[in-house]
Amino acid sequence: DTAVSQTPKYLVTQMGNDKSIKCEQNLGHDTMYWYKQDSKKFLKIMFSYNNKELIINETVPNRFSPKSPDKAHLNLHINSLELGDSAVYFCASSQEAGQGRGGYTFGSGTRLTVV
Amino acid sequence: GQQLNQSPQSMFIQEGEDVSMNCTSSSIFNTWLWYKQDPGEGPVLLIALYKAGELTSNGRLTAQFGITRKDSFLNISASIPSDVGIYFCAGPKVGGANNLFFGTGTRLTVIP
Repeated sequence: DTAVSQTPKYLVTQMGNDKSIKCEQNLGHDTMYWYKQDSKKFLKIMFSYNNKELIINETVPNRFSPKSPDKAHLNLHINSLELGDSAVYFCASSQEAGQGRGGYTFGSGTRLTVV
Repeated sequence: GQQLNQSPQSMFIQEGEDVSMNCTSSSIFNTWLWYKQDPGEGPVLLIALYKAGELTSNGRLTAQFGITRKDSFLNISASIPSDVGIYFCAGPKVGGANNLFFGTGTRLTVIP
C-alpha cells in the first residue's frame, strides 16, 4: 500500500481553470504538507496542517486553498490557474508537527502543466 | 529568506567512484536530514542526524552533522548506477516555523 498517495499524477489544464489535487496518507501521521517544486528542482513549503488545522501558510497566493476533511487527507484546490503555477506539487506527512525528527514521507508528486 | 546551499550543483562520476557533497546554512540547525529524489518520484529519506558532530551510516551512505551546526556532509562509497538522482539536505530552522527547509539539491549522474 502506498503510504502517501496523490492524484492525479499528471494534470494539464488551461489558464483560468480551477483544479484540485488530492492527497491521502495511511501512516496515521498527524501533520500533512504541500510543497511546490519548481523547474530548478527547488522544494518550497506551501502549507502545513496539523490535525486538520492550518499551522503554516507560506507566501502563497490566495488562489491556492488547502482543505483537510480529516487528518488523513489534505487536498489542494487552485483557482484561476496561471502559467507560473506549472510545477510539481508534493504532498507529505510527518508524525510530529514540523521538527522533522522522523523525516517527512512524500507522495510521488503531481505534475501540473498550465497551457 | 532561509536557504540551504548545496555543492556541487551537479556531479558526473564513473561507477565505483566515491562521492562527496555538502550542505551549508547561515543559520544553525538541530536536525539535518538527507533525502534522495528519483526521477518522477518524491524525495525519500536516507539519513537523519540529530547531534552536532554525529556521524551516521546507512549502507554505502555516510552523513555527518557539522560541529558548527551550520553544515552537513553526505558521502556515497562505491557508486552504482541506481545512485542517480537528486540529493537534498533538509532541516527545520531553529526558532522558526515548524517546517522543513530543503537545500538547493545536488544532481548525481553515474556513468556505467
